[in-house]
Amino acid sequence: SQQGEEDPQALSIQEGENATMNCSYKTSINNLQWYRQNSGRGLVHLILIRSNEREKHSGRLRVTLDTSKKSSSLLITASRAADTASYFCATSFNNDMRFGAGTRLTVKP
Amino acid sequence: DTEVTQTPKHLVMGMTNKKSLKCEQHMGHRAMYWYKQKAKKPPELMFVYSYEKLSINESVPSRFSPECPNSSLLNLHLHALQPEDSALYLCASSLDSEQFFGPGTRLTVL
Repeated sequence: SQQGEEDPQALSIQEGENATMNCSYKTSINNLQWYRQNSGRGLVHLILIRSNEREKHSGRLRVTLDTSKKSSSLLITASRAADTASYFCATSFNNDMRFGAGTRLTVKP
Repeated sequence: DTEVTQTPKHLVMGMTNKKSLKCEQHMGHRAMYWYKQKAKKPPELMFVYSYEKLSINESVPSRFSPECPNSSLLNLHLHALQPEDSALYLCASSLDSEQFFGPGTRLTVL
């Protein structure tokens, strides 16, 4: 069953702008991960943040985690048309990983 | 080899057919997973194998039968499926927390 809730459900921005997606969850976690999925294809791992970490960067990606609020955010800076995809947060506890509902990001050229 | 492969890419089957989905990885990962994903929905966990033993079964109907013949292979046997079982079936593997996903099998049940 689904663990997290993401907002917004859909986000449309212009190329060059920043995109922020949020994820909230309900139970204890070992870590939280963000994945990207192009239409109808497999998921690509973007970044993992452990429960004892608060912020992590990878290239144009910045992820924050607030375990007290059970929430995370994914920031994509200087977006490109190729960033158009669905983005999912996923919470893990042992080998059990649960996905949020996802945010559909559209970056217009 | 740093990828998870799945076959077939597409599968159309009738409700009386028996078919199998296959997943393979050669990254030495000891955990493998099956997910089901309906259109515009997130993936839903079905089964988890850890060290070739079934460790999580998310109350999946018995018409789905997983099998892990060895540490590199994961099968999903399908029998007497329903049209509502049509979906993208994703396989993943992991060594630690990060899961590597295959491209999926698009299943259509007529």
